[in-house]
Amino acid sequence: GENVEQHPSTLSVQEGDSAVIKCTYSDSASNYFPWYKQELGKGPQLIIDIRSNVGEKKDQRIAVTLNKTAKHFSLHITETQPEDSAVYFCAASPRAYGNKLVFGAGTILRVKS
Amino acid sequence: NAGVMQNPRHLVRRRGQEARLRCSPMKGHSHVYWYRQLPEEGLKFMVYLQKENIIDESGMPKERFSAEFPKEGPSILRIQQVVRGDSAAYFCASSWDSAADTQYFGPGTRLTVL
Repeated sequence: GENVEQHPSTLSVQEGDSAVIKCTYSDSASNYFPWYKQELGKGPQLIIDIRSNVGEKKDQRIAVTLNKTAKHFSLHITETQPEDSAVYFCAASPRAYGNKLVFGAGTILRVKS
Repeated sequence: NAGVMQNPRHLVRRRGQEARLRCSPMKGHSHVYWYRQLPEEGLKFMVYLQKENIIDESGMPKERFSAEFPKEGPSILRIQQVVRGDSAAYFCASSWDSAADTQYFGPGTRLTVL
């Protein structure tokens, strides 16, 4: 089945700097890759997603890139702010196995002001 | 426009009791997914349901766990004879239809087994 690995597990950046989180997946049939932000005590919130027919997608300070050949995708946050501090999860959807999402282990992002 | 709703938000049970977790999907959504998050871990898929049908239960433990999504009312995740290892956050997500990949998550139910 699908396996998603996420790095780094923790990331500390200075306010205003950029943050990059990387994920790799194993199943070439996967074609949908969302990113979720989870704050303490809350449910995951979708922040951006990308489908396999697109290489890059941007939404204000957040962008996601996808390399299908290498089977990896990355989240880029520019001009980080303290409110960006949270746990970020990447996921992949192996459509061949239904609509379930397979999640990475998460990255704790700390933005220091 | 209400999002995915889950209740209770916190549930405490003693070993051997039953836990019932409820999930109401977003308005217009007919697909429900349950995930479990153990402390300081990622989310693990448990089960995918449509109204009155279980589509994929490959992530459900073989015993004590069951799920349903009746024609009327919320989806229910039921855990019988809970053990301490069942302590976790249980999240429900919903999507509009099978072709819509986007899943929206509820706030979760945090189950503590004493």
